[in-house]
Amino acid sequence: EAGVAQSPRYKIIEKRQSVAFWCNPISGHATLYWYQQILGQGPKLLIQFQNNGVVDDSQLPKDRFSAERLKGVDSTLKIQPAKLEDSAVYLCASSFGGYPNYGYTFGSGTRLTVV
Amino acid sequence: DQQVKQNSPSLSVQEGRISILNCDYTNSMFDYFLWYKKYPAEGPTFLISISSIKDKNEDGRFTVFLNKSAKHLSLHIVPSQPGDSAVYFCAASVLNQGGKLIFGQGTELSVKP
Repeated sequence: EAGVAQSPRYKIIEKRQSVAFWCNPISGHATLYWYQQILGQGPKLLIQFQNNGVVDDSQLPKDRFSAERLKGVDSTLKIQPAKLEDSAVYLCASSFGGYPNYGYTFGSGTRLTVV
Repeated sequence: DQQVKQNSPSLSVQEGRISILNCDYTNSMFDYFLWYKKYPAEGPTFLISISSIKDKNEDGRFTVFLNKSAKHLSLHIVPSQPGDSAVYFCAASVLNQGGKLIFGQGTELSVKP
């Protein structure tokens, strides 16, 4: 079974530039999550999708971050404009039905450096 | 508000000995707990979990203990192997709230030969 695919693996941008990350979940997984992991901290949920609808985006800085999941499969996370504090690893995860004990799988992440 | 805490940033253990990683939580609504292992440049991989209706779950060399009254859980690795060297994250969830995981800060385990 193919895992959760994310691209790019690494990205370096200057502050105030924009950037986008892509995630392809495991086939058949209805629920998709984006987490942000800042160095020295644990991952923090940014947004959760159930199919193509948003379930939880309470921790998403909506003035600069946006995310979409067209057709309930792939998802993109965008930052515009980026700030220095956005430097982090962005992890995508997916699961069958929104339960942590049922196929919850993380991708390898995209490491973003904002200079 | 840090709902899940791992107070030890690092732990060093000799190969063959027991590794004990600790985690504390504050939210009494959490009813499912997980441990993840993370190697550099990889995503977290699931290791073991426990429901709040249990106080122990075992899988091979890995055992998780849950003390609900103390809001504390621990991961025991016996015997520890050099390949266990990684960052370990404790995570907590409320099962009927969509699968959102609240993570601790992580503990870096180093197992020395």
